[in-house]
Amino acid sequence: QKEVEQNSGPLSVPEGAIASLNCTYSDRVSQSFFWYRQYSGKSPELIMSIYSNGDKEDGRFTAQLNKASQYVSLLIRDSQPSDSATYLCAVNIRPGGNNRLAFGKGNQVVVIP
Amino acid sequence: DTGVSQDPRHKITKRGQNVTFRCDPISEHNRLYWYRQTLGQGPEFLTYFQNEAQLEKSRLLSDRFSAERPKGSFSTLEIQRTEQGDSAMYLCASSAAGTEEKPLHFGNGTRLTVT
Repeated sequence: QKEVEQNSGPLSVPEGAIASLNCTYSDRVSQSFFWYRQYSGKSPELIMSIYSNGDKEDGRFTAQLNKASQYVSLLIRDSQPSDSATYLCAVNIRPGGNNRLAFGKGNQVVVIP
Repeated sequence: DTGVSQDPRHKITKRGQNVTFRCDPISEHNRLYWYRQTLGQGPEFLTYFQNEAQLEKSRLLSDRFSAERPKGSFSTLEIQRTEQGDSAMYLCASSAAGTEEKPLHFGNGTRLTVT
């Protein structure tokens, strides 16, 4: 089982719609979760961090965490063409220790004007 | 805060040659990481430093790879006897230490092409 899984294929959404991305992880004791955005040819850029169960909102982004079910999701409201990118889910798999982030393979989002 | 800096941005080398990359982390960050990313995949962990100590190295990392962080500031990643499979984006990231886990901040990466 992979440490972090993002299984959805490319996601196409019309401009103004909600994009929904999901991620599952294998380490039950993980405590820190992050979403990164990566434009083609660029490095990952942090957009959200979440540490507690529930929802966390930041502008048009909402991260949702359910530790019991071991999943974390990202919602992008009012999607804009500039949101077209690959979104990487990252999970700290050794909390309190060496802070190593494991990444999923990413989900590509395409916002259609 | 000038961000994480990596040099060079691009490197093309012939198979069998050695290459070295440099990373300068955010100045107040004492943790430094190297990741590798290939097309269509997420970043893959290579190694991690806290200050000058190399605390973890991926089991996937061949002994052709070596990293250093003298004096706990900048870091270098060397690949000896490069192979075509080493072609990838090499990402450096840094983070601050703390009681809660801090996110990583990535540099722009070094894209390696082995011909």
